[in-house]
Amino acid sequence: GAVVSQHPSWVICKSGTSVKIECRSLDFQATTMFWYRQFPKQSLMLMATSNEGSKATYEQGVEKDKFLINHASLTLSTLTVTSAHPEDSSFYICSAPRAGVNRGELFFGEGSRLTVL
Amino acid sequence: EDKVVQNPLSLVVHEGDTVTLNCSYEVTNFRSLLWYKQEKKAPTFLFMLTSSGIEKKSGRLSSILDKKELFSILNITATQTGDSAVYLCAVEVYKGNQFYFGTGTSLTVIP
Repeated sequence: GAVVSQHPSWVICKSGTSVKIECRSLDFQATTMFWYRQFPKQSLMLMATSNEGSKATYEQGVEKDKFLINHASLTLSTLTVTSAHPEDSSFYICSAPRAGVNRGELFFGEGSRLTVL
Repeated sequence: EDKVVQNPLSLVVHEGDTVTLNCSYEVTNFRSLLWYKQEKKAPTFLFMLTSSGIEKKSGRLSSILDKKELFSILNITATQTGDSAVYLCAVEVYKGNQFYFGTGTSLTVIP
């Protein structure tokens, strides 16, 4: 089946530093990828839609300058949390839809748990 | 504003019980509704529903969609401890291929 790989799985950083999370579609091309944030015992909150070759579309309330998204190729999207603070600590998950039999089915990365000290 | 609501938020049952999870939605340009199971990390796909009244079944799990009343249910029969997870409902809309997730239902199955 389709695989989406996310890296790193865990990251701990100091306050004020920037952290980059990568999301790769391993066996299909993804013109669109989604980035979510999830707090403990809560659902996925869509942060932004990453579009290959164009600017990302951010959901209301998500700071564009804080969460930089780059969709460099048809298989790679990156989320950079800039000048991270403890309140940015969370679980970040990417997903990509694939056209095909289960059109629209989302394939999820393994998630990245960010802890900002 | 597009909205997906699940209930209950959490549920505790005993092994062997049957549970029904609900997902209601209000979205523009509905395309499909999907159910996912999330344990420790990434959600795993369960069902995708696009048509009303057609039950999808996989083992002890089944799901159905009502596009008139704008809801879906996920049934789990003869629950097992391995069914303990958060169950997420997502609605796909045509605009930008967006997916909106519901609040999730946390299911705990006690031996």
